[in-house]
Amino acid sequence: DAKTTQPTSMDCAEGRAANLPCNHSTISGNEYVYWYRQIHSQGPQYIIHGLKNNETNEMASLIITEDRKSSTLILPHATLRDTAVYYCIVRVDSGYSTLTFGKGTMLLVSP
Amino acid sequence: DVKVTQSSRYLVKRTGEKVFLECVQDMDHENMFWYRQDPGLGLRLIYFSYDVKMKEKGDIPEGYSVSREKKERFSLILESASTNQTSMYLCASSLRTLYSPLHFGNGTRLTVT
Repeated sequence: DAKTTQPTSMDCAEGRAANLPCNHSTISGNEYVYWYRQIHSQGPQYIIHGLKNNETNEMASLIITEDRKSSTLILPHATLRDTAVYYCIVRVDSGYSTLTFGKGTMLLVSP
Repeated sequence: DVKVTQSSRYLVKRTGEKVFLECVQDMDHENMFWYRQDPGLGLRLIYFSYDVKMKEKGDIPEGYSVSREKKERFSLILESASTNQTSMYLCASSLRTLYSPLHFGNGTRLTVT
């Protein structure tokens, strides 16, 4: 699986958009980009995934650059409950795939 | 909603004890996983299973074994607990289909004294 690089930490004001970047310059053509987050004292939670098109769901939007070497997770209106560690993961997808977690980005949303 | 339930939230055991960590999922998922999480090291995969009675080693299987006798239940076994196995243990499950996300339990914090 391709390696990812994320900032160690980021801050965001409540109500503003949180834009979390991820670099995956060695991504291969059949690898997907996944985002998970882990709120303190809980297990990781799936957010969104994509291959090359931008994706949106009820939690977030995922913007993948045209060359697929980087992506951005967007939380459009961050709340205090979005404070968590956010993990960007790239992997080949199959029914037998596992997940390899990096260090992630600690997002702190402040009032 | 998918529910992954880990039997204990906190567990304290003595060195040398045999420890069982239990995980049950209620969504008929084929795949189940055990991770451990340590500060500075992140989440690391211990074992996983694609079906009943099947198991595969993850990145750090040493000192652990697993059992999957029923589809909904995946047990992690520490044959002889050691202090370096003090950690947060997380169980997860997923469907054996493309793009299926992993659903995690809330973890068991194990302390070995």
